[in-house]
Amino acid sequence: GIQVEQSPPDLILQEGANSTLRCNFSDSVNNLQWFHQNPWGQLINLFYIPSGTKQNGRLSATTVATERYSLLYISSSQTTDSGVYFCAVELKGGATNKLIFGTGTLLAVQP
Amino acid sequence: DVKVTQSSRYLVKRTGEKVFLECVQDMDHENMFWYRQDPGLGLRLIYFSYDVKMKEKGDIPEGYSVSREKKERFSLILESASTNQTSMYLCASLTLPRFEQYFGPGTRLTVT
Repeated sequence: GIQVEQSPPDLILQEGANSTLRCNFSDSVNNLQWFHQNPWGQLINLFYIPSGTKQNGRLSATTVATERYSLLYISSSQTTDSGVYFCAVELKGGATNKLIFGTGTLLAVQP
Repeated sequence: DVKVTQSSRYLVKRTGEKVFLECVQDMDHENMFWYRQDPGLGLRLIYFSYDVKMKEKGDIPEGYSVSREKKERFSLILESASTNQTSMYLCASLTLPRFEQYFGPGTRLTVT
C-alpha cells in the first residue's frame, strides 16, 4: 500500500524561528491535507492542498504532486504552534475520501 | 464553520462492557469516519459511512461495529470492550466539494 512518510519525526524550536515540515508519499494522490493536533488532542484542518501553494497567515504549504511530496512552512513560530502535524493523502483511484495518515511531526516551540 | 462533536472527552469502561461512542455533525454531510489513534501507529480508520444506513469497513474494523440511523449521527460500538481497545477515538466529517475532513475533539477511552 501507499507509504506516507513525514520528517522530521520531532522538532524543537525557539519562539520566532522558522521551520519546514516534509511529507513524502509513494503513489499518486487525489487529495492531500495537513492537520495540526493540539496538546488536547483536537485535530485542526490546516490546508487542503492536492497541488500548488497556499498560505494562511504564518503558515503556508506547497505540494508537488508529480514529485510526490508536500511541505508545510511555519514562520515566526509561536508556543501555540506546538503539537503534532500530520499530513494525510487520499489515493488516486482508491476508496473515495479514505485518508491515509503519516505518523506525524511532533513540534515543540519553546519561549 | 463545520462543527463535529463527540459525546465524551474521557471514558473509562470495564472489560466486557458494551461501549457506545457518538459523533454528531451539524453540516448535513454524507460522509463520516471513525479513527483510532495510538502512539507509534498514527491514525487508523475503523469504519466509514457514505450515507444513512451505509457503512464500509476501514483498516481495523475487528471488534467494532457502527450505526448510522440519521445523517448527522455516526455511532461507534464496542460490543465487548477489551483492554487493547484503550485508545483515542476520533470522528471526522467530510465537506464537499473540497473533500476536506474535519475532526471532532476526540474521546480518550480507557478499558480496565
